[in-house]
Amino acid sequence: QQQVKQSPQSLIVQKGGISIINCAYENTAFDYFPWYQQFPGKGPALLIAIRPDVSEKKEGRFTISFNKSAKQFSLHIMDSQPGDSATYFCAASITTSGTYKYIFGTGTRLKVLA
Amino acid sequence: EADIYQTPRYLVIGTGKKITLECSQTMGHDKMYWYQQDPGMELHLIHYSYGVNSTEKGDLSSESTVSRIRTEHFPLTLESARPSHTSQYLCASSRHRGNTIYFGEGSWLTVV
Repeated sequence: QQQVKQSPQSLIVQKGGISIINCAYENTAFDYFPWYQQFPGKGPALLIAIRPDVSEKKEGRFTISFNKSAKQFSLHIMDSQPGDSATYFCAASITTSGTYKYIFGTGTRLKVLA
Repeated sequence: EADIYQTPRYLVIGTGKKITLECSQTMGHDKMYWYQQDPGMELHLIHYSYGVNSTEKGDLSSESTVSRIRTEHFPLTLESARPSHTSQYLCASSRHRGNTIYFGEGSWLTVV
């Protein structure tokens, strides 16, 4: 119930295309869903996040779509660029007994071809 | 921009050596974490702390130990390194009531 399932494991997209990464969760107590971007040799950095009271959040070329009933959320990268090539992790956060716990997905390696 | 620092960034050591990976954050965050990550692979939580003198083991069993004597400092120690410890170790922190985890740039450990 604590897992976050992420797919695909890897993704190759042409420059200008749309990259879509999906995540699914089981525990309905999760209340925060961030996406992290990690470049080789660097630590993950927060890219965009959403709470379950909204169905979509957009920041520039990055959009999170959230489907509460299906317990799924996805990251869409519009007009994908070679500089977007990185590993993307979804995560789900839960507050338990006043503390926070993060569950990360297994990551998606995105390569955008020039 | 997160202010969380890890040293050393890269380390190659021999089997059986003791090593300490340093992690410091200047954001006053109560919560700190250590994750282990093989290149391009998933993140495994190995230790976390919710404040001074508080440390807990994470989801992945690890032979390393941690301490939290000061809010800003969360070092990780391996008493006797083995080749199986070769990995990237990521330190992270978050506010007591914040949902965002901020990561350092990682420490790459190679045990030969």
